[in-house]
Amino acid sequence: DAMVIQNPRYQVTQFGKPVTLSCSQTLNHNVMYWYQQKSSQAPKLLFHYYDKDFNNEADTPDNFQSRRPNTSFCFLDIRSPGLGDAAMYLCATSRDRVSDYTFGSGTRLTVV
Amino acid sequence: GNSVTQMEGPVTLSEEAFLTINCTYTATGYPSLFWYVQYPGEGLQLLLKATKADDKGSNKGFEATYRKETTSFHLEKGSVQVSDSAVYFCALSDQGGSEKLVFGKGTKLTVNP
Repeated sequence: DAMVIQNPRYQVTQFGKPVTLSCSQTLNHNVMYWYQQKSSQAPKLLFHYYDKDFNNEADTPDNFQSRRPNTSFCFLDIRSPGLGDAAMYLCATSRDRVSDYTFGSGTRLTVV
Repeated sequence: GNSVTQMEGPVTLSEEAFLTINCTYTATGYPSLFWYVQYPGEGLQLLLKATKADDKGSNKGFEATYRKETTSFHLEKGSVQVSDSAVYFCALSDQGGSEKLVFGKGTKLTVNP
């Protein structure tokens, strides 16, 4: 089945140690999104790619970066994770900006 | 800016009870409205949506009607099942599409047998 896959499901990283989360899709969708979901809070959009065009939200910290080397893959890089970055990170795709989203299962990040 | 407010959870019901989860929104223009469901350990799944005023979205026995006059999109189901236990998120999109979904905080529903 076509889907959005996030790896790993659970990630533990040390305070200040760079970490990368990955997302892949077999849907051939043009748009890929990264959301941060902290405990008991609403998912918050960090940034998205429309094809190769990167769109950063105004309030996304500089500590968060993203790469999209091809249509299928998108990475979330956290350069120096802090305790406050512990969250569920959700990847989503859509065919274009007005189509429905397909979400991955998320990666739960723990910072120790 | 755009925002979504959901009723506070958690909500605990017995099987076959009636469910209402309230959702109100603030938006400029005419947003599309969505309900997403997140089962334990899984990602968000689109449950239903409505793209204009008075539209009713429905799926799997759940319904929600886009009420522009009250800026609401309340989720209802006449008879819940244990398998409906999940977290439900109300969301809106600006610019008439799914770009930049804005979510509510979610409401956790537990249905007991």
